[in-house]
Amino acid sequence: GENVEQHPSTLSVQEGDSAVIKCTYSDSASNYFPWYKQELGKRPQLIIDIRSNVGEKKDQRIAVTLNKTAKHFSLHITETQPEDSAVYFCAASMDTGRRALTFGSGTRLQVQP
Amino acid sequence: GAVVSQHPSWVICKSGTSVKIECRSLDFQATTMFWYRQFPKQSLMLMATSNEGSKATYEQGVEKDKFLINHASLTLSTLTVTSAHPEDSSFYICSVSRASGLSGELFFGEGSRLTVL
Repeated sequence: GENVEQHPSTLSVQEGDSAVIKCTYSDSASNYFPWYKQELGKRPQLIIDIRSNVGEKKDQRIAVTLNKTAKHFSLHITETQPEDSAVYFCAASMDTGRRALTFGSGTRLQVQP
Repeated sequence: GAVVSQHPSWVICKSGTSVKIECRSLDFQATTMFWYRQFPKQSLMLMATSNEGSKATYEQGVEKDKFLINHASLTLSTLTVTSAHPEDSSFYICSVSRASGLSGELFFGEGSRLTVL
């Protein structure tokens, strides 16, 4: 089955700096890669996703890049703000309604004001 | 508005009792729902895939007789933790995906925090 590794486990940045979180996956058949933000005690919230037919996607301060050959994808947050502080999870799956997501181990991002 | 509703949001029970958690898809019919478990400061781990009208598919290491899943309709799946023990204390989250096709996005319920005394 799919295995997703995520690094780093914790990340502390100053407000305004950029943050980068990296993930690798094992199953070359995976073609859907979402990123979730989870605040303490809450459900994960989708912040951005990418499919394997594109290499990069951007939404305001958030961007995701995908390298299918190397089987890794990254989340980039620019101009970080204190409210970006949360746990971020990457995930991977085949892009069908019947295939569950496999999650990375999570990254705790702390943005220092 | 909410796409997936999960109930209860938290529950405390005594060891040995059973607890039922409901997951409802509010906006669309879901032939497939997923149940995840999340221990403190850990990731979401898939427990089982709930299929409407058929038996659930359990992940390796998840006891099907302990975690009973029923998906009797296209909008409701239930997870029953039977004979709960303190080690079952966790955050249980259901998720729903839109019908098969290009959309792989999962919509999550609010989660149910189970504490077994």
